[in-house]
Amino acid sequence: GQNIDQPTEMTATEGAIVQINCTYQTSGFNGLFWYQQHAGEAPTFLSYNVLDGLEEKGRFSSFLSRSKGYSYLLLKELQMKDSASYLCAVRAPWAGSYQLTFGKGTKLSVIP
Amino acid sequence: NAGVTQTPKFRILKIGQSMTLQCTQDMNHNYMYWYRQDPGMGLKLIYYSVGAGITDKGEVPNGYNVSRSTTEDFPLRLELAAPSQTSVYFCASSHRDSYHQETQYFGPGTRLLVL
Repeated sequence: GQNIDQPTEMTATEGAIVQINCTYQTSGFNGLFWYQQHAGEAPTFLSYNVLDGLEEKGRFSSFLSRSKGYSYLLLKELQMKDSASYLCAVRAPWAGSYQLTFGKGTKLSVIP
Repeated sequence: NAGVTQTPKFRILKIGQSMTLQCTQDMNHNYMYWYRQDPGMGLKLIYYSVGAGITDKGEVPNGYNVSRSTTEDFPLRLELAAPSQTSVYFCASSHRDSYHQETQYFGPGTRLLVL
């Protein structure tokens, strides 16, 4: 089976740094994705990790440790518009193909 | 490019009614997906397609049907709506490169309420 865990909610202050963790236990692994989803909207792609290490993209960075089944999303210089849910998803084998299994999402609230 | 479009945006159904959720993409992606998202839950895969004429069940296919007659369109059919199908439905599409890497792009979603 596939299991992905991430905190349900987090609160952080505008201008600060926040780290959202994701742990996974899956039957196979072929990449980890982070998506951002504003309330009432579609998920949008943020980052992709398939090898261990840190991927940086502007204010957003994502880290992966395959041996630990662990990833985090780091958001720097938080802005009010970063208030959203952040979804961790693992790509793993499914019925002869590869599919994404999503965590339940972490709702981030950025306060002034 | 419009990307992935879905219609309708919102619909109320009575128990036992049927409807089709439409999904179209203009990115010439081979892979298309239907997910449902319930409050506080992750996205669950209903059905997916790896190309025109090919469809497969995902994690939660019961009560749904799909077809893929063209690359662009991937409609989701509910035959006998039940309250348990109240959810937000997202369609997504992707393209896999030579390294089997892909990113899924999502449509705006259809909010369905079954009463």
